[in-house]
Amino acid sequence: QQQVKQSPQSLIVQKGGIPIINCAYENTAFDYFPWYQQFPGKGPALLIAIRPDVSEKKEGRFTISFNKSAKQFSLHIMDSQPGDSATYFCAASKGSGGSNYKLTFGKGTLLTVNP
Amino acid sequence: GAVVSQHPSWVICKSGTSVKIECRSLDFQATTMFWYRQFPKQSLMLMATSNEGSKATYEQGVEKDKFLINHASLTLSTLTVTSAHPEDSSFYICSASGPTGGYTFGSGTRLTIV
Repeated sequence: QQQVKQSPQSLIVQKGGIPIINCAYENTAFDYFPWYQQFPGKGPALLIAIRPDVSEKKEGRFTISFNKSAKQFSLHIMDSQPGDSATYFCAASKGSGGSNYKLTFGKGTLLTVNP
Repeated sequence: GAVVSQHPSWVICKSGTSVKIECRSLDFQATTMFWYRQFPKQSLMLMATSNEGSKATYEQGVEKDKFLINHASLTLSTLTVTSAHPEDSSFYICSASGPTGGYTFGSGTRLTIV
C-alpha cells in the first residue's frame, strides 16, 4: 500500500517557469514532510522540509505548501533553471529521524527545465 | 552540515562473489542507518534499518542472509551482498540519522554483477 502518492510522474517546463509537484499522504501520524532532489547516479539531497503546524515554508527558490486537512503538500520551484532538471521525491515520516522513524517516499517526479 | 560518505561509488563483480558497501557519517554520530535499493527510474525501496550495536530490522521480502548489514559503530555501517547474482545489480543508497534528527543520504553505489 503506497502511503504517499506523488504527481505528476514527469514534468517539462521552460526556463523561468514555476513547476509544481504534488503529494498526498494517508497516515495522519506523519509529522515530517521533506522534499529531496536526486541527480542521475547520485543519492538524494534534502531540499526543504516542513512540519504540519506550518502551512508554507520558503527556502530560496523552493516553497512547500502544506494542507493538513486535505493531507496534501506540494513543492513549487520559482524561476526554474535548466540546472533544476532532476528527479524530485516527496517523503513523510513520524518524527524527523533517529529512533527508527523511517521515511516513506513518493514515486518521484522527473523534472525537465528547457533553456 | 551533516555528511555521509558512501564507498565504493560503483563496483563490478563476478556472479557468486560477495561485495561490501561502506557508509560513514563524517561529522555526526549515526544512531540509525537505513539502507535502500533503487531501480532505474523508480523510487527508493527501504531494505533495512539498523541501530548501532543492534541487529538490523529487514523489510518484508528482503533476504537477511543475502544482504548482511553491520552497524558496529556510531559512524560506520556496512552492507554486504553475499553470493551476488545479476538480479542483485542495482543502485544501493545508505542514509544516516543522528540524535538531532534528519536524514542524510550517501551518494549511492552502482553495483553490477556480471
